[in-house]
Amino acid sequence: DAKTTQPTSMDCAEGRAANLPCNHSTISGNEYVYWYRQIHSQGPQYIIHGLKNNETNEMASLIITEDRKSSTLILPHATLRDTAVYYCIVRVAFSNDYKLSFGAGTTVTVRA
Amino acid sequence: DADVTQTPRNRITKTGKRIMLECSQTKGHDRMYWYRQDPGLGLRLIYYSFDVKDINKGEISDGYSVSRQAQAKFSLSLESAIPNQTALYFCATSDPGTGGSYGYTFGSGTRLTVV
Repeated sequence: DAKTTQPTSMDCAEGRAANLPCNHSTISGNEYVYWYRQIHSQGPQYIIHGLKNNETNEMASLIITEDRKSSTLILPHATLRDTAVYYCIVRVAFSNDYKLSFGAGTTVTVRA
Repeated sequence: DADVTQTPRNRITKTGKRIMLECSQTKGHDRMYWYRQDPGLGLRLIYYSFDVKDINKGEISDGYSVSRQAQAKFSLSLESAIPNQTALYFCATSDPGTGGSYGYTFGSGTRLTVV
């Protein structure tokens, strides 16, 4: 599986942008990068995904480097409700389906 | 109502008992999944199903079985529960989107404790 590496934890000030890095140096050309978050043991919530181009939606922006070996999730104006574990995932082919392998993620704490 | 509903939310059971966790969805998705999460760890895939006639083992299927009763319902059973099956269990659905990209929708989870 294409493995991802994320920092264990990070803090962010409320109202500021939160930049969450992720390394995925073994990613293959057709594998997507997904970001999910999990708030206090709730079910993981989809945030955004991308293949090559940068992506933006109402929740976040995803910046993928040109060589695709790393990416950054940007929460533009972090709020206290954004405190969660954030998972960077490379979607890989598995049997006759795809698989999202959730690692330990980055615990993000937004402070007032 | 939630798109993916799991019941029960919490359950304590004794070693050796049979227990069933249920999942229902209103997304209309064909694909459904069962994951387990242990404290401080990511999610691991137990079983997945493409439709009512197609069920596949995931990474950690030993000690578990599943039943896809209908497109909307996917149940996970522990035939004889053991303490190391104590975990948080998640059901998820997905639908292949255009361009080969799609995401999962997760339920709120079932916290299972085996004593």
